[in-house]
Amino acid sequence: ETGVTQTPRHLVMGMTNKKSLKCEQHLGHNAMYWYKQSAKKPLELMFVYNFKEQTENNSVPSRFSPECPNSSHLFLHLHTLQPEDSALYLCASSQDPGRWETQYFGPGTRLLVL
Amino acid sequence: DAKTTQPNSMESNEEEPVHLPCNHSTISGTDYIHWYRQLPSQGPEYVIHGLTSNVNNRMASLAIAEDRKSSTLILHRATLRDAAVYYCILRDNNQGGKLIFGQGTELSVKP
Repeated sequence: ETGVTQTPRHLVMGMTNKKSLKCEQHLGHNAMYWYKQSAKKPLELMFVYNFKEQTENNSVPSRFSPECPNSSHLFLHLHTLQPEDSALYLCASSQDPGRWETQYFGPGTRLLVL
Repeated sequence: DAKTTQPNSMESNEEEPVHLPCNHSTISGTDYIHWYRQLPSQGPEYVIHGLTSNVNNRMASLAIAEDRKSSTLILHRATLRDAAVYYCILRDNNQGGKLIFGQGTELSVKP
């Protein structure tokens, strides 16, 4: 138990569906992250939020829309996805985005796009 | 980005020490060396980090070469639960302290 929870743990969706992934951290951290892990590929950073403000978008397609209503919650809204978007989506948090800060990861949401 | 090179896989026997190497010849003076691991079906978890000096914690030790161009993660007594992918990562303040994952080393532990 890392203090970062993600729901749902598994999701199957069609290309025309709209769904949302939820992340919640119970650590009092100020920074939150979304990562994507595709099969046989390294984890890729998607978005960074610091004090609810987006500070990084790593050239992510607009069909992925993040939302950070407060420092404890992070959402990833999904619409019109492609089969190649099937992956493990991981949320993480840290006290702040500094290079010495530990990031704590959730267990991930395994997404399958049909 | 400063890059790291790790072996794709390593094997260890249970109860024996494991030395996981990482080369980072282009490391800059402000890069921190972090190690994370990812157990099967889980998100990555922090193991240890350092800047210049060797570091110890309850999980592992980190030995950093004097020129900082390489480092070694040491698991003193491997257990079956240590089977995971181990990532060596350089974090640069110029990159906003991002965690940039490579392929890592897949460690298998034999009973």
